[in-house]
Amino acid sequence: SQQGEEDPQALSIQEGENATMNCSYKTSINNLQWYRQNSGRGLVHLILIRSNEREKHSGRLRVTLDTSKKSSSLLITASRAADTASYFCATRKETSGSRLTFGEGTQLTVNP
Amino acid sequence: DTGVSQDPRHKITKRGQNVTFRCDPISEHNRLYWYRQTLGQGPEFLTYFQNEAQLEKSRLLSDRFSAERPKGSFSTLEIQRTEQGDSAMYLCASSLSARGSGSPLHFGNGTRLTVT
Repeated sequence: SQQGEEDPQALSIQEGENATMNCSYKTSINNLQWYRQNSGRGLVHLILIRSNEREKHSGRLRVTLDTSKKSSSLLITASRAADTASYFCATRKETSGSRLTFGEGTQLTVNP
Repeated sequence: DTGVSQDPRHKITKRGQNVTFRCDPISEHNRLYWYRQTLGQGPEFLTYFQNEAQLEKSRLLSDRFSAERPKGSFSTLEIQRTEQGDSAMYLCASSLSARGSGSPLHFGNGTRLTVT
């Protein structure tokens, strides 16, 4: 089974609103990453947060990590129609070497 | 374009045929990964290489699948005796190995396989 599970599975919002996606995982990790995927394309890396970090920002993105709850959230502020995509969290476990394990993803639709 | 490239973009084959996909990673990246993704799901790890060495292979990968990276540059993924359940997007990614807790993956746009 996948290490990460995203919630919600699908999210539909209006342009300008904020979008929050959550990710839960099961085992201890070295880092957690968020990726974005447009339909029919490969994934694009958005942001990486290490296990000793609690919050990270990159432009309109804010990621939090709570290792005690084994969860992370991705916040996209002031969303745009171009943010419409699937968003995946991925974890690198402490014991898995270089393997990156992806969750099921959240499909975000931003309506203009 | 210096990104990860995959060839072909689409492949339609009949059940029982063999198929081979190619991935050219970013040139300075020493790690190369193969993932499989079905519609509505996240990418599923298949295998990864560091240089030419195949360091990890998913237990989900049947013996009909084989991957190579002969000179530590491009990689091929071959599926023998394809089955309809092999229909999926096959994604390749590369990264630089890094000390500490890792580096991000750079993905290609994938090869979409349809087995009829």
